Amino acid sequence: ETGVTQTPRHLVMGMTNKKSLKCEQHLGHNAMYWYKQSAKKPLELMFVYSLEERVENNSVPSRFSPECPNSSHLFLHLHTLQPEDSALYLCASSQARLNTEAFFGQGTRLTVV
Amino acid sequence: GENVEQHPSTLSVQEGDSAVIKCTYSDSASNYFPWYKQELGKRPQLIIDIRSNVGEKKDQRIAVTLNKTAKHFSLHITETQPEDSAVYFCAASMGAGTALIFGKGTTLSVSS
Repeated sequence: ETGVTQTPRHLVMGMTNKKSLKCEQHLGHNAMYWYKQSAKKPLELMFVYSLEERVENNSVPSRFSPECPNSSHLFLHLHTLQPEDSALYLCASSQARLNTEAFFGQGTRLTVV
Repeated sequence: GENVEQHPSTLSVQEGDSAVIKCTYSDSASNYFPWYKQELGKRPQLIIDIRSNVGEKKDQRIAVTLNKTAKHFSLHITETQPEDSAVYFCAASMGAGTALIFGKGTTLSVSS
């Protein structure tokens, strides 16, 4: 196991629902990331938190709202999503002060109906 | 910001052949270049990485080369096996605390 855990693994939600994705890392890292993986698209960076401060917001619509309460936990709050938001959402973590690899969670498969 | 281009998008080889995947990056400040393998239904996992102070790195059947002047790097897999079949992603980052920017991925199929 890589030490990055995401819940839930699968989520089906309506366009008017509000839900949250959770990510937890047990690697002692201090940088965490949200990526979106759609069919035929690259891993798209959404948000970066380094030392619990959001350092990047990659032009993501406001219907996606991240939260990083501490260096081990990362959330992605979802509201009024669109069907095109259906994708695999991957969380990753790394060590902020070292130039090293990112470890990924298993992802949450999101379907918006 | 950084932009990473990856080619080809799909690659089919016979078992035992070599496979080469190429990536280019746009920002000369990038200095870390990992390669990830993602098997169907699984998370991406690091297979090899290279830093800008090194031109080549090898680990058994896989190797990565980096040309900083041309801003491109390549993954080489020799003696391919069916279990090498997966999607491979290249990535680049500009240093500690910066996020990885990924290429679009290459779907490698190795037939026996």
